[in-house]
Amino acid sequence: QKEVEQDPGPLSVPEGAIVSLNCTYSNSAFQYFMWYRQYSRKGPELLMYTYSSGNKEDGRFTAQVDKSSKYISLFIRDSQPSDSATYLCAMTQNAGNMLTFGGGTRLMVKP
Amino acid sequence: DADVTQTPRNRITKTGKRIMLECSQTKGHDRMYWYRQDPGLGLRLIYYSFDVKDINKGEISDGYSVSRQAQAKFSLSLESAIPNQTALYFCATSPGGRPQETQYFGPGTRLLVL
Repeated sequence: QKEVEQDPGPLSVPEGAIVSLNCTYSNSAFQYFMWYRQYSRKGPELLMYTYSSGNKEDGRFTAQVDKSSKYISLFIRDSQPSDSATYLCAMTQNAGNMLTFGGGTRLMVKP
Repeated sequence: DADVTQTPRNRITKTGKRIMLECSQTKGHDRMYWYRQDPGLGLRLIYYSFDVKDINKGEISDGYSVSRQAQAKFSLSLESAIPNQTALYFCATSPGGRPQETQYFGPGTRLLVL
């Protein structure tokens, strides 16, 4: 079993929909949680990060962490075709530790 | 100009050949990383370097070697390529040790081993 699990999709939604992307993990020591966005034929870029449990909002994006359930989510409101990409969750225990990535979820937002 | 560049962008090679993938960065970061990406498996760390004299194995280092020629350059070598090393390879950099500091990724090298 992989340390971080993510549904590969593809997830196809109409423009304007609310999107929910999720990851589950098994290592309770993870404390820092990131979401990366990767466009086709590009390298990943950091979208958001959160520390420990709770919510963090940035524009149309909200990251949510539930450490008790070992479950993290990324919500995208008013989704746009430009949001079409692969979304990778990543996490780490603390400073100096390497990131452990999920397999990525491919999202397609149709006009 | 891109901050993290990788050459070549695409490469086809044959089993048993030695190949080198190169990474250069202009961000002035000390930390550099090599990852491979396979469908459904996300990014897996091959090697990482915290400075020119500090190189460490990652999760899947077998069959790979690296060289940190300078702060700005980090090369990945496949000594004797095999078909299951067919993948997308990414170089990344980061400024320091805080986990919330983002890693900046290059555009990737698509490698096919026949």
